[in-house]
Amino acid sequence: DAGITQSPRHKVTETGTPVTLRCHQTENHRYMYWYRQDPGHGLRLIHYSYGVKDTDKGEVSDGYSVSRSKTEDFLLTLESATSSQTSVYFCAISEGTGGAFEAFFGQGTRLTVV
Amino acid sequence: ELKVEQNPLFLSMQEGKNYTIYCNYSTTSDRLYWYRQDPGKSLESLFVLLSNGAVKQEGRLMASLDTKARLSTLHITAAVHDLSATYFCAVDPHTGANSKLTFGKGITLSVRP
Repeated sequence: DAGITQSPRHKVTETGTPVTLRCHQTENHRYMYWYRQDPGHGLRLIHYSYGVKDTDKGEVSDGYSVSRSKTEDFLLTLESATSSQTSVYFCAISEGTGGAFEAFFGQGTRLTVV
Repeated sequence: ELKVEQNPLFLSMQEGKNYTIYCNYSTTSDRLYWYRQDPGKSLESLFVLLSNGAVKQEGRLMASLDTKARLSTLHITAAVHDLSATYFCAVDPHTGANSKLTFGKGITLSVRP
């Protein structure tokens, strides 16, 4: 694993509560991403970061916010969790070396909203 | 909007036979990536294809990229059980310095004796 740690690995939370997922990298890569994986949908990008304090939305960003105050940490917050946000969340990192944005993935966080 | 399509979505393979799976995408790009995912696990990078005509091989898997046809193929030679997994392709739309990958829905391969 390319020095990426996601926490927690599993979480059950109630509808309406805020939830924060953490991604920590030790590779000093510039780019960090949050994806969600759902059956029949593959991986869909939620938000990504191209530097400290530089973030942008992905295709399924509604209901999520992110922050990156340090190169190594990228936080994903579900502002008010809903059952539709039950999913497996993957963090990924990339350096963009030579124009190649090969992404390396963390182990994933399984989130259940009840 | 970039669309990435993989087909078939599920493939049952017989041990020892050869197969090809496909990844089509909707916009011009010369950067395509293949990943493997085992059940309940994370995604592992398999191949990085960065130009038209690029071909990469690792063991029984060979990936190629035809940017004119907007098509990548993953060829499996003499399938073995260890190749059972879900395979994703991802395309970088090459929109500038802050590109990000768009994934297909994945193809689940199952190898039977």
